[in-house]
Amino acid sequence: QLQLQESGPGLVKPSETLSLTCTVSGGSISSNSYYWGWIRQPPGKGLEWIGGIFSSGTTYYNPSLKSRVTMSVDTSKNQFSLKLSSVTAADTALFYCAGIGYYDSSGYYRPIDYWGQGTLVTVSS
Amino acid sequence: DTVMTQTPLSLSVTPGQPASISCKSSQSLLHSDGKTYLYWYLQKAGQSPQLLIYEVSSRFSGVPDRFSGSGSGTDFTLQISRVEAEDVGVYYCMQGKHLPGAFGQGTKVEIK
Repeated sequence: QLQLQESGPGLVKPSETLSLTCTVSGGSISSNSYYWGWIRQPPGKGLEWIGGIFSSGTTYYNPSLKSRVTMSVDTSKNQFSLKLSSVTAADTALFYCAGIGYYDSSGYYRPIDYWGQGTLVTVSS
Repeated sequence: DTVMTQTPLSLSVTPGQPASISCKSSQSLLHSDGKTYLYWYLQKAGQSPQLLIYEVSSRFSGVPDRFSGSGSGTDFTLQISRVEAEDVGVYYCMQGKHLPGAFGQGTKVEIK
């Protein structure tokens, strides 16, 4: 049973870079070819994919955010991270990290459902 | 970009009655591996989303059998056979074929 926990500053100034880390416990982040994701939810609004990353480090970004997003995996720390640059007030949101699925030894993609509790990031001067 | 469109955006249901939510994708979600990567999530108030249905119609572990999913290609439906009070929340469809993925706008389900 994996557990995910987001961490990072709760307040970021406009034009600066938002940096969040997701620490995975209860198992190795790279024991399978996992697909990890960052999803955000502005206050009172719906869910939006920011990007996803496989344990191998392969990344996929939301086209609308691609120019500002960088994701990475640190297998030694069992963590994956998000950087979102040039933030504005529109980036204020609850940020979730999540485990979405993995490829098993037979190459089949299996769903998993592990989410952090979310961390609120406010962009304000 | 793959756009996911849900209807209706809100639903008020009498306990014990059925409910249905539609989700349409702007592109086919059928993968070359033969699977269709359409998921349904429920987000209860103050909680992280939870997976209900994966690959159109497979219930995730622990999900009651009153939840069912159907559809193919670009058109999908989530059905709740008999709504219970604990089913209130916002339901999201999500496509997982065109990575990173994309959610629908969400459908808020409340009890009458």
